[in-house]
Amino acid sequence: ELKVEQNPLFLSMQEGKNYTIYCNYSTTSDRLYWYRQDPGKSLESLFVLLSNGAVKQEGRLMASLDTKARLSTLHITAAVHDLSATYFCAALGTGNQFYFGTGTSLTVIP
Amino acid sequence: DTAVSQTPKYLVTQMGNDKSIKCEQNLGHDTMYWYKQDSKKFLKIMFSYNNKELIINETVPNRFSPKSPDKAHLNLHINSLELGDSAVYFCASSRLAGRETQYFGPGTRLLVL
Repeated sequence: ELKVEQNPLFLSMQEGKNYTIYCNYSTTSDRLYWYRQDPGKSLESLFVLLSNGAVKQEGRLMASLDTKARLSTLHITAAVHDLSATYFCAALGTGNQFYFGTGTSLTVIP
Repeated sequence: DTAVSQTPKYLVTQMGNDKSIKCEQNLGHDTMYWYKQDSKKFLKIMFSYNNKELIINETVPNRFSPKSPDKAHLNLHINSLELGDSAVYFCASSRLAGRETQYFGPGTRLLVL
């Protein structure tokens, strides 16, 4: 079974700072997804990364994929309070099943 | 015009009862899913289903069963509820049998007493 690990699990950062969330997966996967979940809410799709070297950016968030290293990163630039949420990565495994990471709970402090 | 909807939003019930959660999507997607999110926010796939194939996560107890009356609906039926079933259950749907991003419903918060 595909294993997906994220780190850190918890991240507290000051507004204006930069940080990176890491997502490692255990076996070959040709697609990597990032989702955001606000407290008590559902999951919202952020990015879909389809190939090695793919980079996507939306506002202060940028996601990248290195399929050879089985690693995806979600980089946060100049964090603002509105980015506080839990971020999940998910890799596509056999049978087209999604395998989610453990989630990274991000808190942005003023 | 909600894309993926679930009912009920909250479900409080006694151990041993049988309950169902309904899910509907109006996106025209071909595949639907059920996930369980525990108190630590860990998300686990339970089932995926399209009109051709049901894939069951082998760790899911057989007290849980998906029922799909048509392509737009995938309901979750749970028999003999246990305390450990308390969680948030999310329905999701996608195109192309999961190769495109999944759209999630609002979740059903189940509490078993």
